[in-house]
Amino acid sequence: SQQGEEDPQALSIQEGENATMNCSYKTSINNLQWYRQNSGRGLVHLILIRSNEREKHSGRLRVTLDTSKKSSSLLITASRAADTASYFCATQSQGGKLIFGQGTELSVKP
Amino acid sequence: DTAVSQTPKYLVTQMGNDKSIKCEQNLGHDTMYWYKQDSKKFLKIMFSYNNKELIINETVPNRFSPKSPDKAHLNLHINSLELGDSAVYFCASSQFATESYEQYFGPGTRLTVT
Repeated sequence: SQQGEEDPQALSIQEGENATMNCSYKTSINNLQWYRQNSGRGLVHLILIRSNEREKHSGRLRVTLDTSKKSSSLLITASRAADTASYFCATQSQGGKLIFGQGTELSVKP
Repeated sequence: DTAVSQTPKYLVTQMGNDKSIKCEQNLGHDTMYWYKQDSKKFLKIMFSYNNKELIINETVPNRFSPKSPDKAHLNLHINSLELGDSAVYFCASSQFATESYEQYFGPGTRLTVT
């Protein structure tokens, strides 16, 4: 069954703007991960946030996790055309299985 | 230097045929996975192997059979292919199965069944 739901499904912004994507999930988790998929490629891991963490940064990426609301957000600051891709959240529970959301298609226009 | 590789990249075949997809990782990871991504980009796990042992087997038709000859390889064999099997299949690996480790994905195999 699908765990995560992402919002929005598609997002179009101008270069230099910030992009925010949200992910909601249903059951308790060990961690939540964000992945990027460029068109026709495999997924690339961006960031992992554990259930006891609230915020994490990696370069231009900022991820938050609110376990009480079962939600996470990914913020990409100062976006670039090269950030154009699909972004997926994935939750990991006991047993190690990753369950992916539907993804957000981000388009950054130069 | 490719971390997770898959062959072939594209596979076009007719209904009823049997086909295999191969996956290899050179990261020294213990755990490997097969995922299916449908036309709406929904990604779902199919199988997971940890050190050649099957640990995750989702509700997948038994026409799909994974085989792990060693911990660096995980192949997927599909019998009696159906139109609904058309999708992109991704192999992935992670250092361990149960801890909080990222997964490394291969480039995918686009399977088209006609």
